[in-house]
Amino acid sequence: KAGVTQTPRYLIKTRGQQVTLSCSPISGHRSVSWYQQTPGQGLQFLFEYFSETQRNKGNFPGRFSGRQFSNSRSEMNVSTLELGDSALYLCASSPGGLAATGELFFGEGSRLTVL
Amino acid sequence: AQSVTQLDSQVPVFEEAPVELRCNYSSSVSVYLFWYVQYPNQGLQLLLKYLSGSTLVKGINGFEAEFNKSQTSFHLRKPSVHISDTAEYFCAVSVGGGTSYGKLTFGQGTILTVHP
Repeated sequence: KAGVTQTPRYLIKTRGQQVTLSCSPISGHRSVSWYQQTPGQGLQFLFEYFSETQRNKGNFPGRFSGRQFSNSRSEMNVSTLELGDSALYLCASSPGGLAATGELFFGEGSRLTVL
Repeated sequence: AQSVTQLDSQVPVFEEAPVELRCNYSSSVSVYLFWYVQYPNQGLQLLLKYLSGSTLVKGINGFEAEFNKSQTSFHLRKPSVHISDTAEYFCAVSVGGGTSYGKLTFGQGTILTVHP
């Protein structure tokens, strides 16, 4: 069974640009969560989607947005990039969120560098 | 607000020695508790989880953890470490159990370095 797939794995952008990251969950999983990992702030929750609906959201500015498609694949978008957005962005999937199995399965992440 | 504190940012240890990585959390409601491991340039892998029931939880690779509700702790232990255990370890909490959906609150991480 294939794991969580995130693309691209690495990317470099400049300030002011926007970026879209993609996440394909494990087959059959309908919940996708996104996290940002930085050396200073650690791992922080961005948002979670289930059946194309956002169910939970972290404390990030509106420049960070996401969506989920009918096949459960998810994308997150960051507009007007700032230097502080440089981070590893992790996607995690589960059958139905933590209530279902109490476990999230993480991808290897997309490493974004903002110059 | 809920928080997770990992008391040691770095833990050096010799191979075959025991190790304990400490984690405390603050929450007034029920929680799920987790330990994840992250190897360089990789995502997070679940070591073990506490949802309910027995307070002693066994995970993969010989790790175990004990949930102590009165001390709000969930320390991770391994009786004998290997070089391959060198990695960063994260304690995480889901406040309200499964009602937080996909939201985990993570500690800052503990870098475990195993020396030969």
